[in-house]
Formats: sequence, structure tokens, C-alpha cells
Amino acid sequence: KQEVTQIPAALSVPEGENLVLNCSFTDSAIYNLQWFRQDPGKGLTSLLLIQSSQREQTSGRLNASLDKSSGRSTLYIAASQPGDSATYLCAVRDYGGSQGNLIFGKGTKLSVKP
Amino acid sequence: NAGVTQTPKFQVLKTGQSMTLQCAQDMNHEYMSWYRQDPGMGLRLIHYSVGAGITDQGEVPNGYNVSRSTTEDFPLRLLSAAPSQTSVYFCASSYSSRRFAEAFFGQGTRLTVV
Repeated sequence: KQEVTQIPAALSVPEGENLVLNCSFTDSAIYNLQWFRQDPGKGLTSLLLIQSSQREQTSGRLNASLDKSSGRSTLYIAASQPGDSATYLCAVRDYGGSQGNLIFGKGTKLSVKP
Repeated sequence: NAGVTQTPKFQVLKTGQSMTLQCAQDMNHEYMSWYRQDPGMGLRLIHYSVGAGITDQGEVPNGYNVSRSTTEDFPLRLLSAAPSQTSVYFCASSYSSRRFAEAFFGQGTRLTVV
């Protein structure tokens, strides 16, 4: 059964720092991996989608990498800002037992201090 | 550009009452799903549908019913509400459950059962 883990559960950094959020998964038989942002009391906003054949995707200050063989993905945020404060979730879509459904990690809660 | 729309945003139910959470998408997506989000548990799949007329159970289906009569709509029914169903419910859609399938989420329904 696919399991997705995100470490750390919470992270606090000063404004301007570059930071890395980690996501690991147990079964490498995935279609893709998606990073989301969730603000308190809000829905999930898609940040980046990485296909299983890709190594990385970039959008503005965000860069996500994927190493399928080792079951790892990282989300790199450059020059962090207080507006980046949110919970970041990663999810994998695998073609094993979950039949293409998204399996989520529990998230990393990021706080960027001014 | 509505995306995925959920109604209502908030609901309080008494134990034993029934209700329907509505979900509609305007992206002509074949795949739709319902998740619940609980503190410490992350997002868990309740039911999903790969197209009109086709539904299947996810990880936590007990106490919930779904149907998919049109591509656009995927309502979630609580048959007899219990306090354990107090949660935030999210509907998601993607054009498929396989490659290149970016998932989009609604803003959520916060349900309290008293």
C-alpha cells in the first residue's frame, strides 16, 4: 500500500531564506506527483505537477524535483516571503492498489517570519 | 472560470439527520472524487468516479453514498449523520486518473455533527 510522508511537519524560517520541503513515497509505480498549497480554512491550490518521466518542474520561485527510484520529491522555495506561509501537501497518483487515486502526505506547515 | 464548486461552505447537522454535499465542475473532467480532511489524519479518499454512471469506494466509504448521473456533478450523501463525520470535505476533479492528470480541488465544506 502506497504511503506518503512529509518531513518536517512544521517549519519556521525568517523572510528571504531559501528552503526545501521533503516528500517521500514507498511505491515508485506512480503516474505523477503533485504539490499543493493550503491556506487556513481554504481549499487546496495546485502548485506543480511532475510526471513520472520528469525530473523537475519550475514555476516562479518554486522548483519541484522527483527521484522516482528513491521515492523522493523536494519542493524548493527561493527567497521566501511571509505570503508563502501555508501548509504544503504532496500527493502521488499511482497505478498500484490505489487505482489512480491521489495519496496524500500529512503536509508541512510553513511559517515565514517578517 | 469556476473550476470545482462545492456547496454549502458550512453546515451543522444533528445526529441522525441526512444531507447532500454538492460538487460541480465545469472542466469536462471524467474523474471526480471526495476526500475528508481531519487533524492528524490528512486527506482520506471517501468515494470516486471515473465517469458518469461509474462510482467506487475509497478508503473510508462507510456512512456515505455517491452517484454520478452527469459528467459535471458528483454529490456526496450522508445517510444518517454521526459525530464521527464532523470533518472538512473536499471534492476534486481531473481529466483522468492517469498520466498528465492535474487535480483541482473545491474550497471545501466544513461539516459539524452535534
